[in-house]
Amino acid sequence: DAKTTQPNSMESNEEEPVHLPCNHSTISGTDYIHWYRQLPSQGPEYVIHGLTSNVNNRMASLAIAEDRKSSTLILHRATLRDAAVYYCILRVYYGQNFVFGPGTRLSVLP
Amino acid sequence: SAVISQKPSRDICQRGTSLTIQCQVDSQVTMMFWYRQQPGQSLTLIATANQGSEATYESGFVIDKFPISRPNLTFSTLTVSNMSPEDSSIYLCSVSGVTSQNIQYFGAGTRLSVL
Repeated sequence: DAKTTQPNSMESNEEEPVHLPCNHSTISGTDYIHWYRQLPSQGPEYVIHGLTSNVNNRMASLAIAEDRKSSTLILHRATLRDAAVYYCILRVYYGQNFVFGPGTRLSVLP
Repeated sequence: SAVISQKPSRDICQRGTSLTIQCQVDSQVTMMFWYRQQPGQSLTLIATANQGSEATYESGFVIDKFPISRPNLTFSTLTVSNMSPEDSSIYLCSVSGVTSQNIQYFGAGTRLSVL
């Protein structure tokens, strides 16, 4: 699996937008970009995924660079509940294995 | 989505003993996985639990240490054998093939401490 690079930690104020970056310069044409997050004392939960186009769902938006070598997870209004470790993962559609990197620990300040 | 129940949620065990962790899903799923998360670390895949056949282990993990069963499409167990303090971790079960092969759903994990 191709590797991703994320900042170790980020901080945000409550009710402000958060942009979490991910670099994946060795991404292949068949790799989907996935984002999961792990709240304290819980298992990871799915946030969003995409291939080439930007994606939106009720939790977040995913902005994918035109060359696909980077992406950004956007939380439109951070809440205290969004404090978690966010993982950016590349995965071939029909492949089954996720490789979790260290992720970005997001702190949300009241 | 899927509801995944793991038992026990936590345990404290003595060195040299074994613990079996259960993972129950509320619907039939194609794939089931077992991960380990060591203290302060990210997740590492231990193995893929295959229904009706032997599990597929990742590099660094062996069947004698982490035997896995998957008797049907909704249930799997992971045994941590002959435990040592280095096995103290969170063990997580995940599944895919509920709504999509592309999304994995995770249980809350089993927090294991070995004395």
